[in-house]
Amino acid sequence: AQSVTQLGSHVSVSEGALVLLRCNYSSSVPPYLFWYVQYPNQGLQLLLKYTSAATLVKGINGFEAEFKKSETSFHLTKPSAHMSDAAEYFCAVSDRSNTGKLIFGQGTTLQVKP
Amino acid sequence: KAGVTQTPRYLIKTRGQQVTLSCSPISGHRSVSWYQQTPGQGLQFLFEYFSETQRNKGNFPGRFSGRQFSNSRSEMNVSTLELGDSALYLCASSGTSGGPTGELFFGEGSRLTVL
Repeated sequence: AQSVTQLGSHVSVSEGALVLLRCNYSSSVPPYLFWYVQYPNQGLQLLLKYTSAATLVKGINGFEAEFKKSETSFHLTKPSAHMSDAAEYFCAVSDRSNTGKLIFGQGTTLQVKP
Repeated sequence: KAGVTQTPRYLIKTRGQQVTLSCSPISGHRSVSWYQQTPGQGLQFLFEYFSETQRNKGNFPGRFSGRQFSNSRSEMNVSTLELGDSALYLCASSGTSGGPTGELFFGEGSRLTVL
């Protein structure tokens, strides 16, 4: 069985500060990993994905994540937060079964203070 | 290229009623997945359809059902609504044969309130 744990349901940073959102996964098979962002009253938008190529993955809006197998982690980072980054972020895992099934973490709400 | 379109965006029903939600995937996409999002349970996978066949199903009761048409449009139905069915229902489409190797494109969701 697969699972995802996002550490911290709420993270608050100042504008310009480093953003670090934590994600740990559990999977019995090599996983595919994803980060999605959700703005209020909207659907989910893919930020980036890991599908076993490079372990450091760069996404949209300046976000990146590093796959660390030894730590079973896939933390999301951004060097400098913008006010527009305030949203809810979801980490997700799939079992490579080539279906539309993703297992999502509980989400982390990012607050950016001016 | 138009995105995933879900209708209706908002709806209110009463307990015991049934509801049908519609999803039009991105043109050319053949896989449609449905998710339920609630504050307590988060995002949970309902089911996935590919070429009019249900290919995967989550752990939801039989009151939740779906189907896909030949044009890849999909509907989901919830019968005998319960208060706990209040949620945002998200539809996602994919351009490959399913494929979390590719990207799931999500619609904006249908927000169901059950009174």
